[in-house]
Amino acid sequence: ILNVEQSPQSLHVQEGDSTNFTCSFPSSNFYALHWYRWETAKSPEALFVMTLNGDEKKKGRISATLNTKEGYSYLYIKGSQPEDSATYLCAFRGVWSSNTGKLIFGQGTTLQVKP
Amino acid sequence: ETGVTQSPTHLIKTRGQQVTLRCSSQSGHNTVSWYQQALGQGPQFIFQYYREEENGRGNFPPRFSGLQFPNYSSELNVNALELDDSALYLCASSLDYNEAFFGQGTRLTVV
Repeated sequence: ILNVEQSPQSLHVQEGDSTNFTCSFPSSNFYALHWYRWETAKSPEALFVMTLNGDEKKKGRISATLNTKEGYSYLYIKGSQPEDSATYLCAFRGVWSSNTGKLIFGQGTTLQVKP
Repeated sequence: ETGVTQSPTHLIKTRGQQVTLRCSSQSGHNTVSWYQQALGQGPQFIFQYYREEENGRGNFPPRFSGLQFPNYSSELNVNALELDDSALYLCASSLDYNEAFFGQGTRLTVV
């Protein structure tokens, strides 16, 4: 059974705080790691697709790092804003799904940013 | 907006009934995947269709079936509904097996 774990499950921060979450995934048969941002009543929005060990990606105030050897990825949000409130999902894709696109999702981290 | 649309947005069915959920993929995409998200869990892969053929399936019973049409839109059919089938069903489309773009989901409640 392949497990993708995210921590913490939920997080409450004040506006302006910086925060980070963790995604743990199998360290073998790695193909890609996806991050999604999911606001209530909307569709999950793709943030990053990470494929290389040591990769670091950035989109505005959000960035992510990847360590495929130890099987983890961090998502960082600098200076959190109320509009960052959402559930952040990571999804693992193994080499066995390179021709199917199958994603194995974590349970998500729900972020609430208070003004 | 991702350009992936799902219908209906909500529906309520009785145990034992059958249901069909629909998904229109983003223009230019030829691959559609379906996921089930139960309360408190991450989305679980049901199956994927590529150019009208199923080419990957998760751990779901045969009463979960699907179709992909020549325009690459897709249907998810669930027969003999059980209470545990109550969930959010997400559809995602992509070009070949690349980055997936999700719809807003269909909330199914089985009573």
